[in-house]
Amino acid sequence: GESVGLHLPTLSVQEGDNSIINCAYSNSASDYFIWYKQESGKGPQFIIDIRSNMDKRQGQRVTVLLNKTVKHLSLQIAATQPGDSAVYFCAETYTGGGNKLTFGTGTQLKVEL
Amino acid sequence: EAGVTQFPSHSVIEKGQTVTLRCDPISGHDNLYWYRRVMGKEIKFLLHFVKESKQDESGMPNNRFLAERTGGTYSTLKVQPAELEDSGVYFCASSQGFLTSGRALNEQFFGPGTRLTVL
Repeated sequence: GESVGLHLPTLSVQEGDNSIINCAYSNSASDYFIWYKQESGKGPQFIIDIRSNMDKRQGQRVTVLLNKTVKHLSLQIAATQPGDSAVYFCAETYTGGGNKLTFGTGTQLKVEL
Repeated sequence: EAGVTQFPSHSVIEKGQTVTLRCDPISGHDNLYWYRRVMGKEIKFLLHFVKESKQDESGMPNNRFLAERTGGTYSTLKVQPAELEDSGVYFCASSQGFLTSGRALNEQFFGPGTRLTVL
């Protein structure tokens, strides 16, 4: 079946460095992608999204890149801070799919001081 | 504005027992979703309500799971009888609209989850 997966289960970075979290998806019909951040004891929290008619979108310290040719999504976090430590999930859905999200496995981001 | 709330936060039960999870969505959100994360794996969709109607229940694992949303407000997810493999974190999310409505309406807001442990 269609799925979204992550290449790296754990990513450790030094405070101040940039982080890159990757995600592969397999459903070519997906046209909307979201990155979520989940802190311990909390539910997933929206970070940034991108539609399939774009290949890059920037937010505050975060950038999402979409490569539809190879079905790849990435989240870049600039100047990573201790508060960025969390599990990051990519998710995808498609217009007409009722908005149900298909999530990747998740990447644990650890920020070292 | 209050976010999505879930009750209980934790539940520990014996195999074969029944557990009911509750979700209160954000007021005014017609769409309510249940997801679960089992054994540290990816978060998987269970079902989707639009108001009180089940829009999509394709993710429900089997007939031991029953979801209801009477009156189109809060929702319950009952597991009866619970099995060991049901252990995990159950998330509820709500949204105002659908994808075509634009992000502001279709963003899903997640609750903190209910951690279910079946012994």
